[in-house]
Parts: sequence; C-alpha cells; structure tokens
Amino acid sequence: KAGVTQTPRYLIKTRGQQVTLSCSPISGHRSVSWYQQTPGQGLQFLFEYFSETQRNKGNFPGRFSGRQFSNSRSEMNVSTLELGDSALYLCASSLGWTSGSVDEQFFGPGTRLTVL
Amino acid sequence: KNQVEQSPQSLIILEGKNCTLQCNYTVSPFSNLRWYKQDTGRGPVSLTIMTFSENTKSNGRYTATLDADTKQSSLHITASQLSDSASYICVVIPSFASGGSYIPTFGRGTSLIVHP
Repeated sequence: KAGVTQTPRYLIKTRGQQVTLSCSPISGHRSVSWYQQTPGQGLQFLFEYFSETQRNKGNFPGRFSGRQFSNSRSEMNVSTLELGDSALYLCASSLGWTSGSVDEQFFGPGTRLTVL
Repeated sequence: KNQVEQSPQSLIILEGKNCTLQCNYTVSPFSNLRWYKQDTGRGPVSLTIMTFSENTKSNGRYTATLDADTKQSSLHITASQLSDSASYICVVIPSFASGGSYIPTFGRGTSLIVHP
C-alpha cells in the first residue's frame, strides 16, 4: 500500500509570493491534516479536511488555506509569503482522525519551504 | 492554554541501554495521547496511541505509560539501538468537551542520540 505522498519536496519562494502544496493520502483514507514544523515552534496543527470539508482549524492567519478534492487529495495554499513561513509542511492521512477517534495518522515526508 | 512539556530536551545514551522520556500536559479533558518518532528529514511515525482510560501501551521495545491523575506520560525504550536515534514527540488530542475542537497540542520533542 503506497504511503502518503507530498509534492513538491522542496520549494524556494520570495516574500510576497504565494505557494500551493499537494498531498495524496493513503488509499481509502478520507481525513487529511496539515501541519507546520519549525525549529522555534515545533509541530503546529494547521487544519484538517474530511470528505472535502474543513473539520478543524488551528490558530493560523487567513493566508493559510486548504481544500480537499473528491478523491481525498488535498492542497494547501499560503498567500503573501513571509520569511517566517519557512518551514517543513507535513500532511497526514487517516481513516477518521479527529472527532475523538484513535485512528492512526500516517505522515508524508513533508515539503520543505524556504522563503527568501 | 493547552500545553505539552517534554523532558529532557536531548539525551545521549549508549547502545543497548534503556531510557525514559517524559511528557507533562495540561490538556484536559483529553481524548488520546500519542507518541511519535521522527527521523531527521522525515515525517513522524506513530509509536503508541493511548486513550485517557489506558495506563500502558507497548509497541515492540517501546512502552508508553499514562497517569491521567498527574497528567504525565512516559515513553520507555528498552535495549536501545542505533536506529532509535531520532526525535520523540508527545501529542495530546483534546476531547470535544474541552472546548469543541480537536486541535492537537504537540510537545517540542526529545532528541535522542544512541552511540555505539
């Protein structure tokens, strides 16, 4: 069974630009969550999508957005990039994840975003 | 504010030795507590998932314990191997009753180095 894939793996952008990251979950998984990981803040939850609907959202500004398609693939978009957005962006998929479930989450390898 | 504190920040041990990592949290009530292992440059991998009613969960040489009264969890690694060198992250998922959301709170992780 193929794991979670993320594209691209590495990305370099300049301040003010916008970026779109893609995540393909494990086949059959309907929940996709996005996380930002930085040396200063560690892992932080961005949002979770389930069946094309945003089910949970973390404490990030509106510049961070996402969506999920009918095949469960998900994209996240960051507009008007700032230097502080440089981070490893991870997505994870599961059968259900939130709503109190104990479903295991499977993480992708991440997209390393550098903002210059 | 929900917090998860991990200790120590870093740990160096010799191959074959045992070690214990700590996780203290303030999230209450919570649905489940998870331990992840993250190798450098890769996404986290789930080690254990414990609900609030469980006291211990094992996964091979990894054993997690949970004391909901003191709000502490520990991850014990037995007979360490060189491949155990990684960052270990504790995550607490709140229950819906704690505020109507399931935003996970992550610890900053413990960096473990196993020397031959």
